[in-house]
Amino acid sequence: AQSVAQPEDQVNVAEGNPLTVKCTYSVSGNPYLFWYVQYPNRGLQFLLKYITGDNLVKGSYGFEAEFNKSQTSFHLKKPSALVSDSALYFCAVRAGTTYSGAGSYQLTFGKGTKLSVIP
Amino acid sequence: GAVVSQHPSRVICKSGTSVKIECRSLDFQATTMFWYRQFPKKSLMLMATSNEGSKATYEQGVEKDKFLINHASLTLSTLTVTSAHPEDSSFYICSAKTGESNQPQHFGDGTRLSIL
Repeated sequence: AQSVAQPEDQVNVAEGNPLTVKCTYSVSGNPYLFWYVQYPNRGLQFLLKYITGDNLVKGSYGFEAEFNKSQTSFHLKKPSALVSDSALYFCAVRAGTTYSGAGSYQLTFGKGTKLSVIP
Repeated sequence: GAVVSQHPSRVICKSGTSVKIECRSLDFQATTMFWYRQFPKKSLMLMATSNEGSKATYEQGVEKDKFLINHASLTLSTLTVTSAHPEDSSFYICSAKTGESNQPQHFGDGTRLSIL
């Protein structure tokens, strides 16, 4: 079974300060890791993913995430927060299996972290 | 690229009505589509997964006769909530992905369903 933990329900940060949204995971085999952002009454927008390669992944809107295998973490970061970054952020994981079938593509989502950037 | 269109964005209807929600991949072929339900201030709950031309695979506890899913083409999946009741009111979100293993799921904007 795979699982994702986002330990913080809410993160508050001042505009211009760096932000971190935490995520840890559990999965069998190599993980495929994703971050999504959700604005009110909207679907999820893909931010970035880690499949393989460099542990530091850069994504949309200046966000990046660092894959740490030993700590099973994939924290989302941004050097300078904007008020427009305020939203709900979801971390997701799936096993990096190669067999076919719909079940192998299923994502497990964390419960979400509400980010509030204060002007 | 990778745009998923979901319609309608909001539905308000009477109890007992059946409601159909469409999910279309506009610029890619969606081998697999997913339907989620999201409760207020909660994470996404996967309802079912469907491959084009195959029957959907439903998650435990999801009534397949209640939530009918059709994935007739590589660009369209539909979710029909049959004989909807107030407890079916929720935010329903679809996602789609190609058959390439390392590609992410791309999400529609969701449908707010309110059953009176």
